[in-house]
Amino acid sequence: EIVLTQSPGTLSLSPGERATLSCRASQSVSSTYLAWYQQKPGQAPRLLIYGASSRATGIPDRFSGSGSGTDFTLTISRLEPEDFAVYYCQQYGRSPGTFGQGTKVEIK
Amino acid sequence: QVQLVQSGAEVKKPGASVKVSCEASGYIFSSYYIHWLRQAPGQGLEWMGMVNPSSGGTNYAQKFQGRVTMTSDTPTSTVYMDLSSLRSDDTAVYYCARDRGFSYGLGDSWGQGTLVTVSS
Repeated sequence: EIVLTQSPGTLSLSPGERATLSCRASQSVSSTYLAWYQQKPGQAPRLLIYGASSRATGIPDRFSGSGSGTDFTLTISRLEPEDFAVYYCQQYGRSPGTFGQGTKVEIK
Repeated sequence: QVQLVQSGAEVKKPGASVKVSCEASGYIFSSYYIHWLRQAPGQGLEWMGMVNPSSGGTNYAQKFQGRVTMTSDTPTSTVYMDLSSLRSDDTAVYYCARDRGFSYGLGDSWGQGTLVTVSS
């Protein structure tokens, strides 16, 4: 199975700052099948990005995704108070679909 | 609006089975696959498998083969996930999620989650 490793584990930033989250795969992932989710405590995950760089419906343009092969990045250009949460990357092109362990973005 | 509403929390003993439901509304039920995923307390997310409500076809993660059954009922727009031979490490929040096409776990809308606790 494809193992996804996210870094850093925790990112401490202030509102208005830029957040850069990394996701590295143990083997090449087609860009078509790489997604990012946001999860807040007690809530279900919310799809942010699919196909490595396409924003899901209703997602603000401060969220952007990039990357290919084994290295992918989620960037939040300017953090809003509601963006402090845990973020997961996911590959959904090969069975079993797998997730990274998550990056927590916390208020500094 | 798209909604996936799941059944309530369950407490089960080791060795028992649990059946979780996911009722869909706000879209054409047969046009989207449904995935089941789970999240153990304080842990990450795990894909369990998927069902195609149009055909009833399923695809399960190898880890769960032989222990999970996913079915769909078109008249009620409801999908079910049945997990048998429960162990303590099956304690988790179970989610259903809608997929635009065939994949191994992409979910554009999710249910609220169902906590299943396995304890003697």
